[in-house]
Amino acid sequence: DGGITQSPKYLFRKEGQNVTLSCEQNLNHDAMYWYRQDPGQGLRLIYYSQIVNDFQKGDIAEGYSVSREKKESFPLTVTSAQKNPTAFYLCASLDRAYNYGYTFGSGTRLTVV
Amino acid sequence: GEDVEQSLFLSVREGDSSVINCTYTDSSSTYLYWYKQEPGAGLQLLTYIFSNMDMKQDQRLTVLLNKKDKHLSLRIADTQTGDSAIYFCAEIPTSGAGSYQLTFGKGTKLSVIP
Repeated sequence: DGGITQSPKYLFRKEGQNVTLSCEQNLNHDAMYWYRQDPGQGLRLIYYSQIVNDFQKGDIAEGYSVSREKKESFPLTVTSAQKNPTAFYLCASLDRAYNYGYTFGSGTRLTVV
Repeated sequence: GEDVEQSLFLSVREGDSSVINCTYTDSSSTYLYWYKQEPGAGLQLLTYIFSNMDMKQDQRLTVLLNKKDKHLSLRIADTQTGDSAIYFCAEIPTSGAGSYQLTFGKGTKLSVIP
């Protein structure tokens, strides 16, 4: 079955550590997105990529980095520069051929300990 | 700025209809969406409507679009306990059209009382 897989489901980070969240899709979608979700704040765009080897900053890119070396993969690194990383992170991909609807992964909950 | 506005909470009794409302900002938005999020999960696309439509019905779901007032609503008929979730309204504003960036509302938490 086609879909987006995010891993791990839960992640704990110590102060000063970088951590990487995985996002893999087998839908053959060109565009991929990372969103951060905080309670009562909806979804905010961190980074997006429309094609391999290209990505753009979203509204809250500071303290995060991404890469897009393969069409299927769009990992997100939360760096030590991100001062408040505890949140729910959602990855999505886009099928432009069908109503532009996003397909979302099941999310990664990151907690700073 | 670009904001999609929704009320944060809605509570209904099982079997009643639920109506979730949304006000969007960009009158040029081509597509408008409703997503559902269950606890601890990702977002699931429920339905969408093209801007040249006034209404779309899909089983228990009815979407109404008032372009003049930039108002979108989602009606769920015969609401069940399994409908309890957070519902997000979303648009692709003109400024984000090239990158197909969705702008989301903050979500409406629907609680269904048995």
